[in-house]
Amino acid sequence: LAKTTQPISMDSYEGQEVNITCSHNNIATNDYITWYQQFPSQGPRFIIQGYKTKVTNEVASLFIPADRKSSTLSLPRVSLSDTAVYYCLVGGGADGLTFGKGTHLIIQP
Amino acid sequence: EAGVAQSPRYKIIEKRQSVAFWCNPISGHATLYWYQQILGQGPKLLIQFQNNGVVDDSQLPKDRFSAERLKGVDSTLKIQPAKLEDSAVYLCASSSRPGGGGKNIQYFGAGTRLSVL
Repeated sequence: LAKTTQPISMDSYEGQEVNITCSHNNIATNDYITWYQQFPSQGPRFIIQGYKTKVTNEVASLFIPADRKSSTLSLPRVSLSDTAVYYCLVGGGADGLTFGKGTHLIIQP
Repeated sequence: EAGVAQSPRYKIIEKRQSVAFWCNPISGHATLYWYQQILGQGPKLLIQFQNNGVVDDSQLPKDRFSAERLKGVDSTLKIQPAKLEDSAVYLCASSSRPGGGGKNIQYFGAGTRLSVL
């Protein structure tokens, strides 16, 4: 499975747009890029998934450049409730996920 | 749609005791996973089932951990005997997709927090 690198922590303020970038230089042709969010005392929750270009849903956007060696999760107008750990994962098929340490996002008022 | 159910939510035991965790995946999900999450780290896959068969248990400490999914639905993870380093959150996840293909969205339960004293 491709290894991912993302910042250990980030902080921002309510109402701001937050972008978390993940590097995955060894991504394979059939790998998808998936982001999960985890709150304390809860299991990870799927946010968004993409293969190339841009994907948008009601929660976030995912930007993937043509070479697919990185991806950026964009959270528009964050609130305090977006404080969580965000994990970037790459992989294909139904294999178990390999999680890194994730990015601890702290939103301040 | 009901999510992944896990019980108990919390468990405190002494070292060398045994403990079991239960998971009920989302209805119709053929693939079930158990993860271990130590404080401050991301979840680590312990075992993956496809229906009632084991697909991957390469990271399961088989001398003390065991898991089963006898009827291809519910699953139980057991630790016997427990060690101090087993203190962690044990997460169950399920997925509708079988092997192959690029997309795989896993749905996680809330986990069982185990403290070994």
